[in-house]
Amino acid sequence: DTAVSQTPKYLVTQMGNDKSIKCEQNLGHDTMYWYKQDSKKFLKIMFSYNNKELIINETVPNRFSPKSPDKAHLNLHINSLELGDSAVYFCASSRENTGELFFGEGSRLTVL
Amino acid sequence: QKEVEQDPGPLSVPEGAIVSLNCTYSNSAFQYFMWYRQYSRKGPELLMYTYSSGNKEDGRFTAQVDKSSKYISLFIRDSQPSDSATYLCAMEDGGATNKLIFGTGTLLAVQP
Repeated sequence: DTAVSQTPKYLVTQMGNDKSIKCEQNLGHDTMYWYKQDSKKFLKIMFSYNNKELIINETVPNRFSPKSPDKAHLNLHINSLELGDSAVYFCASSRENTGELFFGEGSRLTVL
Repeated sequence: QKEVEQDPGPLSVPEGAIVSLNCTYSNSAFQYFMWYRQYSRKGPELLMYTYSSGNKEDGRFTAQVDKSSKYISLFIRDSQPSDSATYLCAMEDGGATNKLIFGTGTLLAVQP
């Protein structure tokens, strides 16, 4: 029974398109995150939500819009995709105020 | 200069060797220190979690924190081929946002 699941796992699309990645956690955690991992494996936080409220927004272009319909779900919508958006996007969750993050398996986005 | 520096490797060792992985950091406010392990095409998983300076041991793994030198280490004893993965250090200041700063990761290969 997967703890943090994200879909799709792979996404190949053209520049300028809009795409969404969905994430769900069944751990009962209050906090969810989106991280971006580039080709050099550098993992950088993009957003975090606590109980559906935006907590962290790390100077991410406003083409990226997270949405948390409830505390078990955090989706990421990306408008007008650019080549530089190609990366692996990881969803994660944690109990409030702990650095013990549980990550999903990642969504590999390739923009052509 | 990045807040957290980590040698990307790759590091190749024979099975049974003792492995030492290290990170340095510049922000003296960091209080919580973590090591995550990431297998290829998977999400990171938490390996060790320590608070402030000192050592913590868990089986073949020992995490060490030296806050005065702003230096953390992960030691793996009796390394196994199944330890082959990327190891990412991470740290946070314990503030309300729970924002983790990751190192770039060290790729470890344990040769049978």
